[in-house]
Amino acid sequence: SQQGEEDPQALSIQEGENATMNCSYKTSINNLQWYRQNSGRGLVHLILIRSNEREKHSGRLRVTLDTSKKSSSLLITASRAADTASYFCATMNTGFQKLVFGTGTRLLVSP
Amino acid sequence: DSGVTQTPKHLITATGQRVTLRCSPRSGDLSVYWYQQSLDQGLQFLIQYYNGEERAKGNILERFSAQQFPDLHSELNLSSLELGDSALYFCASSVGNLGLDTQYFGPGTRLTVL
Repeated sequence: SQQGEEDPQALSIQEGENATMNCSYKTSINNLQWYRQNSGRGLVHLILIRSNEREKHSGRLRVTLDTSKKSSSLLITASRAADTASYFCATMNTGFQKLVFGTGTRLLVSP
Repeated sequence: DSGVTQTPKHLITATGQRVTLRCSPRSGDLSVYWYQQSLDQGLQFLIQYYNGEERAKGNILERFSAQQFPDLHSELNLSSLELGDSALYFCASSVGNLGLDTQYFGPGTRLTVL
C-alpha cells in the first residue's frame, strides 16, 4: 500500500509559471526523495532530503521538509514544457530499506 | 541515464507462462531493488538484495522470485502469470543497504500478459 499522498493529483500551468506539489506521509522517515516520470518511462531521481534537513535546492527545484507535519513540497520555478511529467515523492521509512511512493502529481506545462 | 540497465524493454506473454527480467546495477552499487508499477496499485516495492543476499521483502507474490548473482546483476522471475501481473517492473540500485542513499532506477520492463 502507498503511504504518501500527493496534492494536487494534477496541475496545469503555463510556461514560466511556478509549480508546487505537496506530499504527506504517515510514519517517521530517514529521508524523502522526489522522482520524475515521463509518461510510463523510467523514474528520474530529482532530489533527496534527509530527515534532519528542512530545505534543499537543485537548479530550479526547491524541496522543503517539515517532519513535525509529516509533509514535503517540491517547487519548480520558471517551468518549461519539458517539465511535463508525473512527479512522485518517496519516503525511506526508519528501519526499512524500501521506498514507499506517493500517488504522484501529473504536471502539464503548456507553451 | 541512471546507469541502471534493464532487459528486455517490453515483454508480451500469455497467462500461465514464466518470464525472467534482468537488471544490472550502477557500477559500484551493491543493493538492487525491484518495484512494480501498475495502474491500480501504483509503485510497490517487491524485494531488495544486497551483495547477493536478500535483505528486505515487500508485496511480492509467492509466484515471483528474485536473486542477485556474484557479478551483482539481478533477475526477477515471474511464473504462472496472470492478467493482473501486467505492469511496469523497475529495478533500482544504491550503494548501501541501510536506506540512507539515493536509489537510481532503470528504464523498466513493460510486461503485458494476454
